[in-house]
Amino acid sequence: NAGVTQTPKFQVLKTGQSMTLQCAQDMNHNSMYWYRQDPGMGLRLIYYSASEGTTDKGEVPNGYNVSRLNKREFSLRLESAAPSQTSVYFCASGGTADSPLHFGNGTRLTVT
Amino acid sequence: GQQLNQSPQSMFIQEGEDVSMNCTSSSIFNTWLWYKQDPGEGPVLLIALYKAGELTSNGRLTAQFGITRKDSFLNISASIPSDVGIYFCAGYNTNAGKSTFGDGTTLTVKP
Repeated sequence: NAGVTQTPKFQVLKTGQSMTLQCAQDMNHNSMYWYRQDPGMGLRLIYYSASEGTTDKGEVPNGYNVSRLNKREFSLRLESAAPSQTSVYFCASGGTADSPLHFGNGTRLTVT
Repeated sequence: GQQLNQSPQSMFIQEGEDVSMNCTSSSIFNTWLWYKQDPGEGPVLLIALYKAGELTSNGRLTAQFGITRKDSFLNISASIPSDVGIYFCAGYNTNAGKSTFGDGTTLTVKP
């Protein structure tokens, strides 16, 4: 049982390049989330999807887009990467009263 | 939006000591959650609290849901080196449908 799987684990981009971070969960959760983690700033919500076909902005959505491809998959896209987007990105699923969040192991992104 | 104040920001303790950390909020939460993040990994749920006043233990960990529903604490007794990591509190509000995280407490345990 894999839980939440994120790819890639590491990525280096040049400013202006684009990329998509992939996330898949096998727990049949309706809700999925993308967070970024920066030193001393905890986990900040970028976007979330309460169910297949819906997405909503979190605290820090600027510079990102998301796609809830199906119930299992929720991708995060950076159209034109900036150094300020250097961070560790976590996907999570669950997050209801009955099923607290389950996190993936993160994607470490560096933008030069 | 909702904010959580988690303290302390970091702790350096000797193996065997007890640890206490807490979170406070200006808003009410329906559920309080405590997560631990090991280096290079995602956060993992330690304890979930569902009722005001609830006190729950998980091995050497004890957490309480504050009676006002605006705070929670986590205690770790007799710390060991593998307790090292970042501990996050999170509050879940059914109406908002998402969790709000504290900034984390980084714990270092010296053998």
